[in-house]
Amino acid sequence: EPEVTQTPSHQVTQMGQEVILRCVPISNHLYFYWYRQILGQKVEFLVSFYNNEISEKSEIFDDQFSVERPDGSNFTLKIRSTKLEDSAMYFCASSDLGDRGPSGANVLTFGAGSRLTVL
Amino acid sequence: GENVEQHPSTLSVQEGDSAVIKCTYSDSASNYFPWYKQELGKRPQLIIDIRSNVGEKKDQRIAVTLNKTAKHFSLHITETQPEDSAVYFCAAGQNFGNEKLTFGTGTRLTIIP
Repeated sequence: EPEVTQTPSHQVTQMGQEVILRCVPISNHLYFYWYRQILGQKVEFLVSFYNNEISEKSEIFDDQFSVERPDGSNFTLKIRSTKLEDSAMYFCASSDLGDRGPSGANVLTFGAGSRLTVL
Repeated sequence: GENVEQHPSTLSVQEGDSAVIKCTYSDSASNYFPWYKQELGKRPQLIIDIRSNVGEKKDQRIAVTLNKTAKHFSLHITETQPEDSAVYFCAAGQNFGNEKLTFGTGTRLTIIP
């Protein structure tokens, strides 16, 4: 079964450092997303990306965040100057209009996550 | 924007009994309601979903009901088993190929053997 893969699985960084989280979405998917989950809390939408541009972003996704699809397979999330409150599990997800679940709706497939710890 | 409330936050159920988790949403434009199961340290995995043109859907021991008028939807798990123990998240979105899902706060379900 196709998977969304994420690296690294865990990254520890000092406050103020830049971090890049990497994702390889499912190969035929066209829509890409980043979500985050602070420990013990709900999953929160950060950003969606389609056709090489951001299609929607949340209020969490401020100027310190950016996304990029540098080649045909990778999708990255960069945090420019990390803060303590950026510590969370970051999930990449992808979907495609042709990848429909039992209800006929688009299905988001999540990666296993990258745990970011900011010290 | 959309706001999803989920109750209860924790639920303990005797093995074999049923579990019910309830969610409400605020945006009448939402038309897609998935439920995700997340085991400790793992990714959220879709277990069942429903669209707003359907009132109820069942898949073996799992069922979801939707009341569009009241803007609430529920997950029902019957004949619970120990492997059902996990955190369950409801979510709401508008399924136009740009899946910004708004998640509920999660329910930690514990099945007591």
